Amino acid sequence: KAGVTQTPRYLIKTRGQQVTLSCSPISGHRSVSWYQQTPGQGLQFLFEYFSETQRNKGNFPGRFSGRQFSNSRSEMNVSTLELGDSALYLCASEVGFGLETQYFGPGTRLLVL
Amino acid sequence: AQKVTQAQTEISVVEKEDVTLDCVYETRDTTYYLFWYKQPPSGELVFLIRRNSFDEQNEISGRYSWNFQKSTSSFNFTITASQVVDSAVYFCALSEFTYGGSQGNLIFGKGTKLSVKP
Repeated sequence: KAGVTQTPRYLIKTRGQQVTLSCSPISGHRSVSWYQQTPGQGLQFLFEYFSETQRNKGNFPGRFSGRQFSNSRSEMNVSTLELGDSALYLCASEVGFGLETQYFGPGTRLLVL
Repeated sequence: AQKVTQAQTEISVVEKEDVTLDCVYETRDTTYYLFWYKQPPSGELVFLIRRNSFDEQNEISGRYSWNFQKSTSSFNFTITASQVVDSAVYFCALSEFTYGGSQGNLIFGKGTKLSVKP
């Protein structure tokens, strides 16, 4: 069974640009969650999608948005990038109906210059 | 507000020692979830356990065990007979309880870096 894949793995952008990251969950999983990890703020929850609907959202500004497609693949977008958006962005997938195991992707490392 | 505290920033042990990672949480919710994750040097997060606040029974999985004590708001993690492969950063996390399997807004601790030396 293929694991969670995230593309791209590495990305360099400049301030003010926007970026789109992609996450493909494990086949059959309908829930995808996104997390940001920085040295200063640590791990923070961004949002969770289930069957194309956002179920939960963390405390991030509106520049951070996401969506989920009918095949459960998810994208997250960050507009008007700031230096502080440099981070490792992780996504996780799970079936989505209860106390199941989460599976994480390898992450996308974003550097904003 | 919800908060998770992992007071131990770094721990170093010698292989085969037992080690306990502490996690103390704060929440006003009466029902909630608690989690532990492992992040090895490769960077990929590994889910270890999710426990809901209804269930205060301790959990054991191989060399790993978890002690949940609602009275002290703690959810400690013990590795028995540690191995070099256990070297990683371990995160404790808390989320609100939701029905239908929703993840909820997850609040993470700062993590404890465990180094297991041969």
